[in-house]
Amino acid sequence: EPEVTQTPSHQVTQMGQEVILRCVPISNHLYFYWYRQILGQKVEFLVSFYNNEISEKSEIFDDQFSVERPDGSNFTLKIRSTKLEDSAMYFCASSDGGETQYFGPGTRLLVL
Amino acid sequence: AQSVTQLGSHVSVSEGALVLLRCNYSSSVPPYLFWYVQYPNQGLQLLLKYTSAATLVKGINGFEAEFKKSETSFHLTKPSAHMSDAAEYFCAVTSLLDTGRRALTFGSGTRLQVQP
Repeated sequence: EPEVTQTPSHQVTQMGQEVILRCVPISNHLYFYWYRQILGQKVEFLVSFYNNEISEKSEIFDDQFSVERPDGSNFTLKIRSTKLEDSAMYFCASSDGGETQYFGPGTRLLVL
Repeated sequence: AQSVTQLGSHVSVSEGALVLLRCNYSSSVPPYLFWYVQYPNQGLQLLLKYTSAATLVKGINGFEAEFKKSETSFHLTKPSAHMSDAAEYFCAVTSLLDTGRRALTFGSGTRLQVQP
């Protein structure tokens, strides 16, 4: 069964460093999403992406965040200058435009 | 705006007992409702979904949920808990508006413990 994959599974970085989280959505899906889950808190929407542009973003998704689909298979989330409060589990999801989103296993980011 | 409230951040049941996890939603447009399960150190797995067809929805692992519009609820149930059901369960809502908004709004989650 097709699934969303994410790399790396864990990343540790120093405050102020740039990180890029990678996702490979399900191959025939056209809508892509990033969510995050701070430890012990609810899953929060960050951004959705369709047709090579951001279609929706939350107030969390400020100028330090960016997304890109650099090729036909990858979807990336870049955090330009990480802060301590960026430590969280980041989930990628994809859909074919229907109501169901399929989630990847997540990348656990720890900012020191 | 949409929102989800999950009553009870922790629920503990005995193995073999009924599981009931509560979810109430708020939505100004017809909602699509989901239950996702998160096992320790894993991602979010879709358990079941309501998309305006049958109000009683069956999912994986013996779980089901009933959409009750009058109560704005979508509670998750399982007749007999198994030890392997121990996980965190998230209720989520979305809608497909003309604007194309598809972002999921999640509840705060309910951690299910199953006692032997």
